[in-house]
This record gives sequence, C-alpha cells and structure tokens, in this order.
Amino acid sequence: ETGVTQSPTHLIKTRGQQVTLRCSSQSGHNTVSWYQQALGQGPQFIFQYYREEENGRGNFPPRFSGLQFPNYSSELNVNALELDDSALYLCASSLAMGSGANVLTFGAGSRLTVL
Amino acid sequence: AQKITQTQPGMFVQEKEAVTLDCTYDTSDPSYGLFWYKQPSSGEMIFLIYQGSYDQQNATEGRYSLNFQKARKSANLVISASQLGDSAMYFCAMRGLQTGANNLFFGTGTRLTVIP
Repeated sequence: ETGVTQSPTHLIKTRGQQVTLRCSSQSGHNTVSWYQQALGQGPQFIFQYYREEENGRGNFPPRFSGLQFPNYSSELNVNALELDDSALYLCASSLAMGSGANVLTFGAGSRLTVL
Repeated sequence: AQKITQTQPGMFVQEKEAVTLDCTYDTSDPSYGLFWYKQPSSGEMIFLIYQGSYDQQNATEGRYSLNFQKARKSANLVISASQLGDSAMYFCAMRGLQTGANNLFFGTGTRLTVIP
C-alpha cells in the first residue's frame, strides 16, 4: 500500500502571496487532516476533511482553507502569506473518524519559507 | 481542551540501553487516547504506540512500551535496547474520543540522541 505523499517538498514564497499544498492520502483512507509545525514546536491541527467537507478546525484564520476531492486527496491553500506562516505543513490520513486507536498516517511534509 | 507537556528538550542514551521519555497531559474528556510519534530528520511522523484511557494494561509494541499512570496523568514512553536509528524527535500526543474528530494535540517534543 502507498503511504501519504505530499508536494511540493520545499517552496519559497514572499509575503502576501498565495500557496497551494497537495496531499495524496494512503490507499483506503477517507479522512485527511492538516497540521502546521513551526520550527522547534510540535504539530498544530489546522483542519480535517471527511467526505469532501471540513468537519473540524483548529485555531487558524480563514485565510487557511482546504479541499478534499472524491479520490480523498486534499489541498491546503494559504492566502496573504505572512512571515509566521513559515513552517513544515504535514498532511495525515486515516481510515475513519475518531474511533479509539485511529492512527493517523503522516506524509513527510511540505516545508514553506515565507520571505 | 487538551494539553500535552514534554519537559525534556533533549535526552542522550547509550546504544543498547533503555531510555524513558516523559509526557504528562491534561484533559477534560472522560475518554481519550494517547499516542507517541517519532519524527526523523526527514520530517514524516511515524506512529509508535497507542494507549486508550480505559485500557487496563500498558501498551507495548516491540521495543516500545508506554508507562501509563492515569492518576498522575502521565504517559511515558520507554524504549528498550536503544539503537542508533532511534535518534530522532519524539512527540507525545492525545485526542479526546468523544468528539469524533481526529485532531491530535502534540507536545513540544524530545530530541533523543543515541550514542554509540
């Protein structure tokens, strides 16, 4: 089975620009969530998608938005980039929502640098 | 709300020795799950072990075991027979099990270095 793949692996943007990050979930997984990991910190939950709808969101402003497609792949879009958006963005997929040891499978992340 | 605290920014262990990584948590959820993930320099988070709050026994997965003390709200990870490949960041995380959401709350991590 293929794991979670993310693209691009690295990218550099300037303040005010927009960025789209992509994620292909693990085969058979129908739920995708996104996390932001700033340097030296643990990942922070951005939002989760299930059946192509957002069904959970962390403490992130509306300029962070996403999509989930019928094949369960997903995009994270960030508008009006700020310097503090520089981070590793991790995508995680899982089989279903919230039951017990429902393990998230993570990708290797997209490292975004905002100048 | 959930909170995870990892008080050890860095730990060193001799190869083949055991090491304990500390994790304490706080939550208002009556049922919850606790997780440990390993993050090598390549960036991906690798699942190691899970403990449910109502599990009677401490979880074990190969060389990993979770020392769960519910009254103390601690969920320490024990790695036995350390290997050089164990050098990485280790994150403790938790999720409330009543909301149905998958979101994990992570600690700030512990960097483990295994010395030959």
